[in-house]
Amino acid sequence: QQQVKQSPQSLIVQKGGISIINCAYENTAFDYFPWYQQFPGKGPALLIAIRPDVSEKKEGRFTISFNKSAKQFSLHIMDSQPGDSATYFCAASTSSGSRLTFGEGTQLTVNP
Amino acid sequence: NAGVTQTPKFRILKIGQSMTLQCTQDMNHNYMYWYRQDPGMGLKLIYYSVGAGITDKGEVPNGYNVSRSTTEDFPLRLELAAPSQTSVYFCASSLTGDTEAFFGQGTRLTVV
Repeated sequence: QQQVKQSPQSLIVQKGGISIINCAYENTAFDYFPWYQQFPGKGPALLIAIRPDVSEKKEGRFTISFNKSAKQFSLHIMDSQPGDSATYFCAASTSSGSRLTFGEGTQLTVNP
Repeated sequence: NAGVTQTPKFRILKIGQSMTLQCTQDMNHNYMYWYRQDPGMGLKLIYYSVGAGITDKGEVPNGYNVSRSTTEDFPLRLELAAPSQTSVYFCASSLTGDTEAFFGQGTRLTVV
């Protein structure tokens, strides 16, 4: 019940296109859903996060969509840029104190 | 503002040797984590701690040990290093389980 499944494993998008990464979870107690971005040779860094009281959160070109009934959430990157090329991880945890559980990661390549 | 500091950045170990990976944070965070990341793979949780004196196993604890005697420090001990422990190790901390996790820069370990 601690699993978070992420897809696709890799994604290639043209500059200006939309990148979409999906995650699904099993534990209905999860109530915190962050996305992390990792560049080569660096540690992951928080990109954007959502809690289940809203269905969507937008920060600049990055949007999280959340579907509580389907137990799914996704990251949309609008107007994708070569600088967005990185590995993206979804994650989930509970406000009651469980550890952060990460998805398997998606390697995004944005071609110029 | 140092954040999460890991030492060393790189290390080569011989099979059977032992070493300690150091991690310290200056944000007074309760939660601390150790992850390993194999090439092209996701983050696997080794151990985590929700406060000083409290530690718990993650997904891949075998071959590792941790201690948390202070809020700031969370060292990871490798006993009898094996080639399978060749990886990049990341330490992270967060105030609670459902707030932003800050990652260190990583330790690249090679066991030969």
